[in-house]
Amino acid sequence: NAGVMQNPRHLVRRRGQEARLRCSPMKGHSHVYWYRQLPEEGLKFMVYLQKENIIDESGMPKERFSAEFPKEGPSILRIQQVVRGDSAAYFCASSPPRGSVETQYFGPGTRLLVL
Amino acid sequence: AQTVTQSQPEMSVQEAETVTLSCTYDTSESDYYLFWYKQPPSRQMILVIRQEAYKQQNATENRFSVNFQKAAKSFSLKISDSQLGDAAMYFCAYRTTQGGSEKLVFGKGTKLTVNP
Repeated sequence: NAGVMQNPRHLVRRRGQEARLRCSPMKGHSHVYWYRQLPEEGLKFMVYLQKENIIDESGMPKERFSAEFPKEGPSILRIQQVVRGDSAAYFCASSPPRGSVETQYFGPGTRLLVL
Repeated sequence: AQTVTQSQPEMSVQEAETVTLSCTYDTSESDYYLFWYKQPPSRQMILVIRQEAYKQQNATENRFSVNFQKAAKSFSLKISDSQLGDAAMYFCAYRTTQGGSEKLVFGKGTKLTVNP
């Protein structure tokens, strides 16, 4: 059973460009979460999605950031007009449907560097 | 809002010895989940152990165990017989059981060094 997959693992963008980060959850998992980790910090929650629905986006910056989890395909975290402060590691996690202790399993992360 | 505090930015332990990492949290809820995650230099987040707040028994996973003190809102991780591979950042995390909010709230982490 493959784990959570994220790509790309490393992404370099210049200021003003767009960054697209992809996450494929574990098989059978329908819940996806995105977290951001700044250098020397813990992970900060950004958004929680189920298929075709955003459930909780309380951690998303109000501008430039968006996320989706379509019926088919991976979840996408999109950052428009990136700035240097967006440089961070972005982690995706997935969990199965509710009804158990819904442990979140993490992907390897995408390291975004904005030049 | 819930908060998680890890008061030890760094800890070190000799190989084969025991070390305890501290975590405290603040919440008004009576039921929740607590987790310890490990982040080695590869930066992959790996689940170490989890605890349901309604369970009085402390969780144990091989060499890893927790000391869960609900009244004190404390959730420390004990690593026995430390191995070189245990060297990593360790993050304590809290999750509510209330529907609609599934997010994990993390502490800032403790960097564990294992000395041979």
